[in-house]
Amino acid sequence: QSALTQPASVSGSPGQSITISCTGTSTDVGSHDLVSWYQQHPGKAPKLIIFEVNKRPSGVSNLFSGSKSGNTASLTISGLQAEDEAHYYCCSYAGGSTFVFGGGTKLTVL
Amino acid sequence: QVQLQESGPGLVKPSQTLSLTCSVSGGSINSDNDYWNWVRQHPGKGLEWIGYIHHSGSSYYNPSLKSQTIISVDKSKNQFSLKLRSLTAADTAVYYCARGGGLGPLDSWGQGTLVTVSS
Repeated sequence: QSALTQPASVSGSPGQSITISCTGTSTDVGSHDLVSWYQQHPGKAPKLIIFEVNKRPSGVSNLFSGSKSGNTASLTISGLQAEDEAHYYCCSYAGGSTFVFGGGTKLTVL
Repeated sequence: QVQLQESGPGLVKPSQTLSLTCSVSGGSINSDNDYWNWVRQHPGKGLEWIGYIHHSGSSYYNPSLKSQTIISVDKSKNQFSLKLRSLTAADTAVYYCARGGGLGPLDSWGQGTLVTVSS
C-alpha cells in the first residue's frame, strides 16, 4: 500500500483557480469512488472538504470541487482566497477495509 | 456535533508500548454507522492512516502497521484506544483520532496529541 501521489506544492493568486492532482492505482483511486479531500491549516486538525470524489459536507464552500478520471482524482479551488492557504490531502479507500492518504500539497496564495 | 479528544503520554521510551485514548462526546460510540479511526502525522510530513474499529469489535489496520497495532473500544466509557508496540523514533508523530463511515470519510477529528519517542 503506497501513498497516493500529490504535487508537493501549488500556488495561485487571489481570485484564480487551482487544481491539485492525486494519483493512485487501479486498486485504490481507480477502483472506487471513495476519494476524499482534507484541508489542514498549520497546527490544526485536518478538515473534510470533499468526500466520495465530488460531494461537499454541509458548510463547505462551493468554491471547492472534486473530480476523478481513471487513477487520478483532482481537487479544484475556484476564486482563491487568502484563507485557502493550507495543506491539502487526498485519501482513498484501498480495498480490504483499508485507506491510503496522499503525501499532501502545500497551497500558497500569492 | 460529535467531539473527540485524545489523551495519553507525550513522551515514550523506545521499545515501549504507546497507549492513547480517544474520548467521544456529543455522540455514541455504539452508532452502527460510525467507525473510529486513528491517523498519525510525522513532524512536517503527511497523514498516515493507522486503522479503525467498529463498536462491534471489528477492526482493520494499515498493513504496514498491523503487526504492532491494536485498536480497542470501551463502550461503557464511550472511548476507543490505540496501542502501538515496539516503538522507535520513527513513531514520533502527532496522533489524531477521527470518526468515519465504514468506507470513509473522516468527518470529525480530535485536536491531535504529539507523541515523542525518545530515551
